[in-house]
Amino acid sequence: AQTVTQSQPEMSVQEAETVTLSCTYDTSESDYYLFWYKQPPSRQMILVIRQEAYKQQNATENRFSVNFQKAAKSFSLKISDSQLGDAAMYFCAYNTYNAGGTSYGKLTFGQGTILTVHP
Amino acid sequence: DGGITQSPKYLFRKEGQNVTLSCEQNLNHDAMYWYRQDPGQGLRLIYYSQIVNDFQKGDIAEGYSVSREKKESFPLTVTSAQKNPTAFYLCASWTLNTEAFFGQGTRLTVV
Repeated sequence: AQTVTQSQPEMSVQEAETVTLSCTYDTSESDYYLFWYKQPPSRQMILVIRQEAYKQQNATENRFSVNFQKAAKSFSLKISDSQLGDAAMYFCAYNTYNAGGTSYGKLTFGQGTILTVHP
Repeated sequence: DGGITQSPKYLFRKEGQNVTLSCEQNLNHDAMYWYRQDPGQGLRLIYYSQIVNDFQKGDIAEGYSVSREKKESFPLTVTSAQKNPTAFYLCASWTLNTEAFFGQGTRLTVV
């Protein structure tokens, strides 16, 4: 079974600074998706960024970027120019790319990292 | 606007009572999922359904039941067999080549 581990229960950053959240995963699959979701105090899950395992290029979305190391099974999230609105719980998640298979769309989540942004 | 609607936002259950959480989507997604979130923890999969009239147990299905009579609807019943039902419940839908879309959640409390 796949597992996702976030080893940092809490992180903090000063506004405008950069912070990196860590995530490691364990899988025997070769094709899969990795995600970072943000859960603010409203508890609405918001997709931050997505990475397909077959793509070597790291995904970026504005101030958010990932460092995807497939061999090391590592998937960290870097937030640049941190803003107060970035404060939230961040979840790393894994999904097998298995269209029509039994694991289709089943996300496995890490335990989450609470990010605090100081003004 | 397309999306997922969960209701109610807050729900209270008495001991020994069954309660049903609603999840409706108008995204035309085939697959739907129920997750449970406990304080300080990640989401755990309860049940999922990839097509109408078919569903599978997730990692923590004991004490829960679901139905999928319509593509748009995937209600979750928390039965009296679920001994620790107090949690935050999230419904999601998914279709190929996209990300999961989540509802706003239901907070269930045992009173």
